Amino acid sequence: DTAVSQTPKYLVTQMGNDKSIKCEQNLGHDTMYWYKQDSKKFLKIMFSYNNKELIINETVPNRFSPKSPDKAHLNLHINSLELGDSAVYFCASSPGQGVNIQYFGAGTRLSVL
Amino acid sequence: KNEVEQSPQNLTAQEGEFITINCSYSVGISALHWLQQHPGGGIVSLFMLSSGKKKHGRLIATINIQEKHSSLHITASHPRDSAVYICAVRFVNTGNQFYFGTGTSLTVIP
Repeated sequence: DTAVSQTPKYLVTQMGNDKSIKCEQNLGHDTMYWYKQDSKKFLKIMFSYNNKELIINETVPNRFSPKSPDKAHLNLHINSLELGDSAVYFCASSPGQGVNIQYFGAGTRLSVL
Repeated sequence: KNEVEQSPQNLTAQEGEFITINCSYSVGISALHWLQQHPGGGIVSLFMLSSGKKKHGRLIATINIQEKHSSLHITASHPRDSAVYICAVRFVNTGNQFYFGTGTSLTVIP
């Protein structure tokens, strides 16, 4: 009964491919997030959705497109993968946009060759 | 400019020592979040603060709004506390986004 689950856990792919990472939360939360953690372990927010609506969209290449079919899911699609996209991607959720703790998924380690 | 700084960057302690990790930020915030990232990569939320002090087990988090500073304390440290501790703040001028510090890597030696 994992609270925030991401799939896959590991993803190895060639440059130029298109891939997706899925995220689901069973906590009934309204807000979901995607973070990228680079090789220096620095976490940066990419996107945030509240009730299926985009509320944060940082300076991320438009090859990255989040999709939220319902408030329990926030998937990340990446087109034309580049070497610099290699990182660990974390999904998180919180009850709302206020002063709420975020619950993180286990992360997806993406390696682009 | 919105900045978050953590110190120290790396910390090694003997088992049983009292540990303090610091987080400073540049402008006013609405919330501050302490997280723990395990050696395996998993991230766990520890505390969310907007004022005062919170305690959970051996962990204590404090925040001084006037000084723009927060500390995370670990009492009676244990090797299983070895992890990266990350501070994240939500600035009042940036809506809902949290800005993350670069983390403090803690190693507790038996």
